[in-house]
Amino acid sequence: EVHLVQSGAEVKKPGESLKISCKASGYTFTNSWIGWVRQMPAKGLEWMGIINPADSDFRYSASLQGQITMSVDKSINTAYLQLNNLKASDTAVYYCARQHDSASGAYLFYFGAWGQGTLVTVSS
Amino acid sequence: IQMTQSPSTLSASVGDRVTITCRASHTITNNWLAWYQQKPGKAPSLLLYKASTLESGVPSRFSGSGSGTEFTLTISSLQPDDFATYYCQQYNSYSPLTFGGGTKVDIK
Repeated sequence: EVHLVQSGAEVKKPGESLKISCKASGYTFTNSWIGWVRQMPAKGLEWMGIINPADSDFRYSASLQGQITMSVDKSINTAYLQLNNLKASDTAVYYCARQHDSASGAYLFYFGAWGQGTLVTVSS
Repeated sequence: IQMTQSPSTLSASVGDRVTITCRASHTITNNWLAWYQQKPGKAPSLLLYKASTLESGVPSRFSGSGSGTEFTLTISSLQPDDFATYYCQQYNSYSPLTFGGGTKVDIK
């Protein structure tokens, strides 16, 4: 069974940086892209970017360019999201999600498995 | 591609037939559209992809249809477990991927 387990909640101050982990199990880590999606309080879903664990190819949302870095460590089947220069408006639940099996090998990104979410609070 | 869902909130009773609409600002080719269900405090869960393909394990009361710029999610007979928020997502273009604003289905 596929599992994505994320790191725990974080409280940060404005201007600080954040790194969230997403550990995958139950499938071959390098076979599926990993996406990151955030959800601000009582709001909808916002796509942040995607990364291919096989070669670290990535695509970022234009609105987050310069603030976001995605990476993977294939040796421990873990993907990371780093967000720099945090603002209060970055307060959200952050999710990692795995590209669906039926889309594997294609540039089709819908997500069949999700992490449990990581609550990030940015406050002075 | 911008995705607009309607309604934003829907009040319904157990047993009702429910339809949610998702409209795209540009044509979505090959019906590259997914639907998710999200319950409070939980991650989203995939219901359908390619507009009408049911994800494994999802009850058959959920169905999807549409093409081009207009898509619908239908729940044929609403069950207590279905009270949740539903999102559409286009994956026609991954620059960027976009979600609809969500439709909350609550108890009438």
